[in-house]
Amino acid sequence: GENVEQHPSTLSVQEGDSAVIKCTYSDSASNYFPWYKQELGKRPQLIIDIRSNVGEKKDQRIAVTLNKTAKHFSLHITETQPEDSAVYFCAARGRGTGNQFYFGTGTSLTVIP
Amino acid sequence: AAGVIQSPRHLIKEKRETATLKCYPIPRHDTVYWYQQGPGQDPQFLISFYEKMQSDKGSIPDRFSAQQFSDYHSELNMSSLELGDSALYFCASRNRGQGGDEQFFGPGTRLTVL
Repeated sequence: GENVEQHPSTLSVQEGDSAVIKCTYSDSASNYFPWYKQELGKRPQLIIDIRSNVGEKKDQRIAVTLNKTAKHFSLHITETQPEDSAVYFCAARGRGTGNQFYFGTGTSLTVIP
Repeated sequence: AAGVIQSPRHLIKEKRETATLKCYPIPRHDTVYWYQQGPGQDPQFLISFYEKMQSDKGSIPDRFSAQQFSDYHSELNMSSLELGDSALYFCASRNRGQGGDEQFFGPGTRLTVL
């Protein structure tokens, strides 16, 4: 099955700086890569996603890049704000029968005012 | 817009008891995923259903079972509860048949086993 690795596990940045979180995956058949933001005790919220036929996608301060050859994808948050503080998860979904989602282990982001 | 509904939102049980968690997907969504999330952990995939049939099985213990009914709602049945089953349980739904990629999470059920 798929194996998703995520780094770093914790990240602290000053308000206004950029934050980058990286994930690698193992199954070249995976074709959909969402990123979730999760606040304590709340549900994961999709913040951006990318499909395997696209190399980059941007939505205001958030961008995701995908390198299919190297099997890695990254989340970029610019001009960070204290409300960006949360745990971020990457995930990969394959083309198998059930289209199961495989999650990374999460990155706890703290934006220091 | 309608979202995924989970009930109950909180549940407290004793060891060795049973629990049933319910999930009502977004209308016309044909796929349901169940996840277990312990403190500080990523969501662990348990099981999924597509068009009322089990499609994938993850790290679901043998003490747990699940099904999807004709109205597409799903139930996770948990027996012989253990302290380690205390966690947040999320279900998510997806409109896979219409080519939808995104899964939409419910608010979760917080299960505490004493």
